[in-house]
Amino acid sequence: AQKVTQAQTEISVVEKEDVTLDCVYETRDTTYYLFWYKQPPSGELVFLIRRNSFDEQNEISGRYSWNFQKSTSSFNFTITASQVVDSAVYFCALSEGLRGYSTLTFGKGTMLLVSP
Amino acid sequence: DAGVIQSPRHEVTEMGQEVTLRCKPISGHNSLFWYRQTMMRGLELLIYFNNNVPIDDSGMPEDRFSAKMPNASFSTLKIQPSEPRDSAVYFCASSFITSGSTGELFFGEGSRLTVL
Repeated sequence: AQKVTQAQTEISVVEKEDVTLDCVYETRDTTYYLFWYKQPPSGELVFLIRRNSFDEQNEISGRYSWNFQKSTSSFNFTITASQVVDSAVYFCALSEGLRGYSTLTFGKGTMLLVSP
Repeated sequence: DAGVIQSPRHEVTEMGQEVTLRCKPISGHNSLFWYRQTMMRGLELLIYFNNNVPIDDSGMPEDRFSAKMPNASFSTLKIQPSEPRDSAVYFCASSFITSGSTGELFFGEGSRLTVL
């Protein structure tokens, strides 16, 4: 069975600090997909990134970066120079893709509070 | 383009009443998902449909819950009779999924249900 662990329940930082959100996953499949979603206070879930298991290249998008390491089954998310608008709950999710019809298993989420 | 549309956004009802939540997926998407979010259990998949056919309903809590997708542009999640423990935010999401791949899920804004 697949599982996603986000050990950090809540993180508080001051604006402009860098912050890393941890995500550790478990799966028996060799083909799988990893995702990060953001849930701001308004409640909707916003897709941030998808990664497949064959692509271990780190990705950077503006102030966001993702570090995927298969050796440690981790897919960590770093926000550089955090801003108040980054305050949200962030979810890591896993999908096993080979069966064609696969679904997302979400971690419990990490609440990020960025104060001015 | 319109995203996933859910209604109602908020529902307050009394125990024992029937509740119907509605979802209109993004046009062209072939998969639809119902998730439930609570503080205790996080985001849980209830059921998902592919090409209007229920593929996996193992997450549906019990017989009080039922979901239908009569056509590609509409789905309902019904709870009858409702109980206070059903209070949660119910998300509908859609995606275009092909064999061997997983697209990102696009979520609606959720329906917040409170059962008194």
